[in-house]
Amino acid sequence: AQKVTQAQTEISVVEKEDVTLDCVYETRDTTYYLFWYKQPPSGELVFLIRRNSFDEQNEISGRYSWNFQKSTSSFNFTITASQVVDSAVYFCARKAAGNKLTFGGGTRVLVKP
Amino acid sequence: GAGVSQTPSNKVTEKGKYVELRCDPISGHTALYWYRQSLGQGPEFLIYFQGTGAADDSGLPNDRFFAVRPEGSVSTLKIQRTERGDSAVYLCASSSGSGANVLTFGAGSRLTVL
Repeated sequence: AQKVTQAQTEISVVEKEDVTLDCVYETRDTTYYLFWYKQPPSGELVFLIRRNSFDEQNEISGRYSWNFQKSTSSFNFTITASQVVDSAVYFCARKAAGNKLTFGGGTRVLVKP
Repeated sequence: GAGVSQTPSNKVTEKGKYVELRCDPISGHTALYWYRQSLGQGPEFLIYFQGTGAADDSGLPNDRFFAVRPEGSVSTLKIQRTERGDSAVYLCASSSGSGANVLTFGAGSRLTVL
């Protein structure tokens, strides 16, 4: 199976610190899509971003930014100036042929005031 | 509806019983997915429907698990002879198509098998 690996299981920071979440994926496909989802304590997965394999431009959305490096099969996510409301579990996922979305194990982010 | 609706939100059952979990996708979404999330882990794929048919059921762990979507909208995940290891949150998601389309998830059904 082609895996998605999130090596950090938990990260604890103090408010206003930056935090970077790592994601490494395996794929044999030329065309694929990468996603990040947030799962707050309420439990519902919330979509954050989608990238396709042909677009390696980094993206910034407010305090969130993403770094896609195809050469290292990585799609890392940075939260700048973290806030308590950012506390959640964050999942990286990959979708290729067959439409199955494969998730990593998640990284729990705890932002302390 | 506005979002993906799952019922029940919580289900406690005894080992060996039969359970049904229901998913009502976003109106007009043709693709529907079931995932299972155990404590501290990422969601694991179970089955994917395109319309009424199961396009990929490779994630169903064994023949005790079955899902249907008879009219291409609401789906039911059925688990026979439940075991304690089936305890998890069962997540449903829908999307407007396949490929790059984003999956929108429901809040999940938490199943506890005693």
